[in-house]
Amino acid sequence: ETGVTQSPTHLIKTRGQQVTLRCSSQSGHNTVSWYQQALGQGPQFIFQYYREEENGRGNFPPRFSGLQFPNYSSELNVNALELDDSALYLCASRSDRRVYGYTFGSGTRLTVV
Amino acid sequence: RKEVEQDPGPFNVPEGATVAFNCTYSNSASQSFFWYRQDCRKEPKLLMSVYSSGNEDGRFTAQLNRASQYISLLIRDSKLSDSATYLCVVNNAGKSTFGDGTTLTVKP
Repeated sequence: ETGVTQSPTHLIKTRGQQVTLRCSSQSGHNTVSWYQQALGQGPQFIFQYYREEENGRGNFPPRFSGLQFPNYSSELNVNALELDDSALYLCASRSDRRVYGYTFGSGTRLTVV
Repeated sequence: RKEVEQDPGPFNVPEGATVAFNCTYSNSASQSFFWYRQDCRKEPKLLMSVYSSGNEDGRFTAQLNRASQYISLLIRDSKLSDSATYLCVVNNAGKSTFGDGTTLTVKP
């Protein structure tokens, strides 16, 4: 059983650019969530996708957008990057059953300069 | 006020100690609850789900008090390897909210 994999692991972008982060869900998981984690803080919920539809969103502006594909892999897109977007971006997946928590990928560390 | 609040610690305890963490949440409609562990510069890993009846997994015991809207995690006989940040998570209608974590350091 493969876990959650994210790519790239590290990324440096310039303010104003756009970035796409990718995530492959754990086998059998149809729900994926994305989180932003700044240093010293807990992960902040960006949004969740269930069977290709967004079904939950945190307090992030519209320049944060996502997609989930038929194979349940996912992308996070961030437009017009700001310095404060520098963080660890975590993807997590789970199955339908709420009693099971999420399995996280090891994250993408984004630095905006 | 944050939706999920934890005492940030740090908790510094000797090996063998018992330590307890609490977490409060503000949304009474919250549906499911979890504790995660996060090691430095690593991703969070699920430690255990939390049920109203309380649940135990080896040295770890989790409790949920819906009336008072808090969850707790008790670690008995602490090991050096328990040193980490412990995050509580509250789920409601497709949204997962993490606390900022409580840092535990277990010392020899």
